[in-house]
Amino acid sequence: EIVLTQSPATLSLSPGDTATLSCRASQNVKTYIAWYQQKVGQAPRLLISDASNRATGVPARFSGSGSGTDFTLTISSLQPEDFAVYYCQQRSSWPIFTFGPGTKVDV
Amino acid sequence: QLKLQESGPGLVKPSGTLSLICTVSGGSLSNSPDYWGWMRQPPGKGLEWIGSIYNAANTYYNATLKNRISISADTSKNQFFLEMISVTAADTAVYFCVKDEGMAVTGIDFWGQGTLVSVSS
Repeated sequence: EIVLTQSPATLSLSPGDTATLSCRASQNVKTYIAWYQQKVGQAPRLLISDASNRATGVPARFSGSGSGTDFTLTISSLQPEDFAVYYCQQRSSWPIFTFGPGTKVDV
Repeated sequence: QLKLQESGPGLVKPSGTLSLICTVSGGSLSNSPDYWGWMRQPPGKGLEWIGSIYNAANTYYNATLKNRISISADTSKNQFFLEMISVTAADTAVYFCVKDEGMAVTGIDFWGQGTLVSVSS
């Protein structure tokens, strides 16, 4: 099973800051990583697929990068609505896949 | 706009069977290449993929759960189902039904609102 590790577990930032979230895979997943945002009491929302492709309607301040085993989600100029938990998902073994443990971005 | 809605008992007794229904509106279970699946999230914890179904017949299960779960679908009703047997308190979670875009390069683009299932006597 491919295991994903996310760091840091919690990122404490202020509005206007840049958030850099890391996702590391236990083996090569090429670019088959998706990122999701989950706000309290809500279902997750797809942000990024194939490591760097923004989903429909996702603001340009969200960007993804990486390949192989190391991936990054960057949120530029944090907005109040961006404070949430972010999960990466590996899809290399799709239709079987796994999620990382999440990174909480809070104030 | 596609919408997914979970339904089922909110409380299940230990060793009992958890049964959930996902009703799909604004789209079709038969649409290729979409996959339909179940996720869960224990209170305060992360996401876990349970399993998926494609073309109402092909199923894929989380290896850690596969001995206890079954996913099926009824295309005439545009519904798919989750059954989990021998539940314990560890199965207490919010259960989400989802639509997956169907390729490694895509993602889970639609989620139900989730339903909390508690396992308790």
